[in-house]
Amino acid sequence: KAGVTQTPRYLIKTRGQQVTLSCSPISGHRSVSWYQQTPGQGLQFLFEYFSETQRNKGNFPGRFSGRQFSNSRSEMNVSTLELGDSALYLCASSLGTGGSYNEQFFGPGTRLTVL
Amino acid sequence: AQSVAQPEDQVNVAEGNPLTVKCTYSVSGNPYLFWYVQYPNRGLQFLLKYITGDNLVKGSYGFEAEFNKSQTSFHLKKPSALVSDSALYFCAVRDMRSGNTGKLIFGQGTTLQVKP
Repeated sequence: KAGVTQTPRYLIKTRGQQVTLSCSPISGHRSVSWYQQTPGQGLQFLFEYFSETQRNKGNFPGRFSGRQFSNSRSEMNVSTLELGDSALYLCASSLGTGGSYNEQFFGPGTRLTVL
Repeated sequence: AQSVAQPEDQVNVAEGNPLTVKCTYSVSGNPYLFWYVQYPNRGLQFLLKYITGDNLVKGSYGFEAEFNKSQTSFHLKKPSALVSDSALYFCAVRDMRSGNTGKLIFGQGTTLQVKP
């Protein structure tokens, strides 16, 4: 079974631009979560989608948004990029049902650099 | 507040020696605990989880973790370290305040360095 895929793997943008990152979950997984990883703040939860609905959101400004499609693929968008948005953005998928104990499987991440 | 702490930024062990990477947690209710490993320029790989049952959980690549409710700890262990185990290790707990969702709270990570 194919793992979680994320595209693109690397991205360079300038301040003020916007960016869209894509995530394809493991086949059969209906939950997709996004995390931001930085050296200073570590791993921080952005949001989670299940069956096209956002069911949880972290403490990030409204510039960060996401969505999920009917095939469970997900995208996240960051508008008006700031230097501090430079990070590794990780997507994780899980079955999403059966309780909170389902482990999440992570993709390789998208490395975003904002200049 | 729900939180996870990994008190050591780095752990150094010699190949063949046992290793322990420490994790303590603070949650309300029963904890759902996870360990992940991250190799350079890679995403996180799931190692093992504790939901309920035996306090000793066995996972991938020979790793195991011991759940201790009284000490609120979930330390990762391996009887004999390999150089290839060198990586960044994360402990995580499910955020049960958010109900039946997938949100994980991660520790800051511990770099494991195994020397030949």
